[in-house]
Amino acid sequence: GAGVSQSPSNKVTEKGKDVELRCDPISGHTALYWYRQSLGQGLEFLIYFQGNSAPDKSGLPSDRFSAERTGGSVSTLTIQRTQQEDSAVYLCASRDSPGGFQETQYFGPGTRLLVL
Amino acid sequence: AQTVTQSQPEMSVQEAETVTLSCTYDTSENNYYLFWYKQPPSRQMILVIRQEAYKQQNATENRFSVNFQKAAKSFSLKISDSQLGDTAMYFCAFISTSGTYKYIFGTGTRLKVLA
Repeated sequence: GAGVSQSPSNKVTEKGKDVELRCDPISGHTALYWYRQSLGQGLEFLIYFQGNSAPDKSGLPSDRFSAERTGGSVSTLTIQRTQQEDSAVYLCASRDSPGGFQETQYFGPGTRLLVL
Repeated sequence: AQTVTQSQPEMSVQEAETVTLSCTYDTSENNYYLFWYKQPPSRQMILVIRQEAYKQQNATENRFSVNFQKAAKSFSLKISDSQLGDTAMYFCAFISTSGTYKYIFGTGTRLKVLA
């Protein structure tokens, strides 16, 4: 079946503009993660959605970042008033939660964001 | 706090040779899972291999195997018969089973397989 998809693949924006990044998880996967990958760094956890539970937003770096997940499926990560330090690859991953933590996270191809 | 350390930012290996990538981690937990992910230039992260901490037997997946040393908190990845398609970033990751759902990733090792 289809994997995790993300759009856009690349996004160039000007400092101060808002951007929306989209993630379509694998159908039926109840767990969804957003990560940020900066150059030379590992993956930084941003936010976690699990079913209808309140998301864990503890990784969001500032109040300019927000995310939502509609209908337990598609998720959107929004960055308001973008700054140059927001430039990074934003990765989304989904997991079939009932299987437990040993189940594989499936990653999307990421969105490369460049803030000029 | 749990941490994952990959001390080799870059490595190279000749095609058909064997290479070992290092990963150490720090945790006070007893039950957890460890993973190696591969990220080729296409950016698509792919699971390479997974190890459950309560299993003493090292996981293997075809040309990929791990050396899991729980007491030393070490989890190295061995790639045998390296192929050009193995060129990628490799990330080590940890997750505890004690209720947290956050995966902790290392900073990655960039592996280049030379023809």
